[in-house]
Amino acid sequence: GAGVSQTPSNKVTEKGKYVELRCDPISGHTALYWYRQSLGQGPEFLIYFQGTGAADDSGLPNDRFFAVRPEGSVSTLKIQRTERGDSAVYLCASSFLPAGGREDTQYFGPGTRLTVL
Amino acid sequence: GNSVTQMEGPVTLSEEAFLTINCTYTATGYPSLFWYVQYPGEGLQLLLKATKADDKGSNKGFEATYRKETTSFHLEKGSVQVSDSAVYFCALTGNTGKLIFGQGTTLQVKP
Repeated sequence: GAGVSQTPSNKVTEKGKYVELRCDPISGHTALYWYRQSLGQGPEFLIYFQGTGAADDSGLPNDRFFAVRPEGSVSTLKIQRTERGDSAVYLCASSFLPAGGREDTQYFGPGTRLTVL
Repeated sequence: GNSVTQMEGPVTLSEEAFLTINCTYTATGYPSLFWYVQYPGEGLQLLLKATKADDKGSNKGFEATYRKETTSFHLEKGSVQVSDSAVYFCALTGNTGKLIFGQGTTLQVKP
C-alpha cells in the first residue's frame, strides 16, 4: 500500500508567520512520530502519538510548536511565530505496533523542508 | 541519557571495496538497534535492525551485529556499489519507542 505522505514537500515562510505541516501515516498504523532534521544532522524526536493522544511530547523545543491527531490518523504539526532557527526538514513516521514494542519499525515519509526567511 | 555515536564522514571508497561504518551507543536497558539509509533526494529507509544481543541484521548485502559487550552495531558490506552512495544513520529505541539517531555518515562510492 501507500507509504507515509507529507505535505507540502517544501514550505517557505517569513519570520513570525504561522505554518502547518501535514502527515498521512500508513493505513492502520496506530503510532505516529514527528522528527526534525537540521542540515548535516540526524533526525531529532519531537512528539509521538498513540492513537489520538500525544503520548510523549518531550522533544518539542518550546510552546510555539504544537501537534494534533484528532481522529487517530492524519496529524498536523503547527508552528507559531516561526523563527529562522526553525528551518529544517520535518519528518513524520508511523508504525503498526505501539511504541516500545521490540518489533516496532518506523516508516518515514519524504519530509517537509521548511525555510524561514 | 541514551545516545548514538557514528564515525564521521564522508567515507569515500572505490567500487567493490569493503565497507565498515562504526556505530556505538549508550543506553539504559536493552534497546533495539537500527541502520537507516537516506539516498539522494529520497526519504529515510530502514536498512536493517536487531532487537537483542548477538542478533545479526542483514539486508541488500549489508550486515550489522548487536554487540552488547562493546555497545556497538557496526555496519559492514563486503563489496560496495556506486548505487550504495547515500547517508547512513545508526539509531536506537528504548522502551519509549522514540528513535535516537547518530549524526549520519555520508558514503561516496566511485566507479
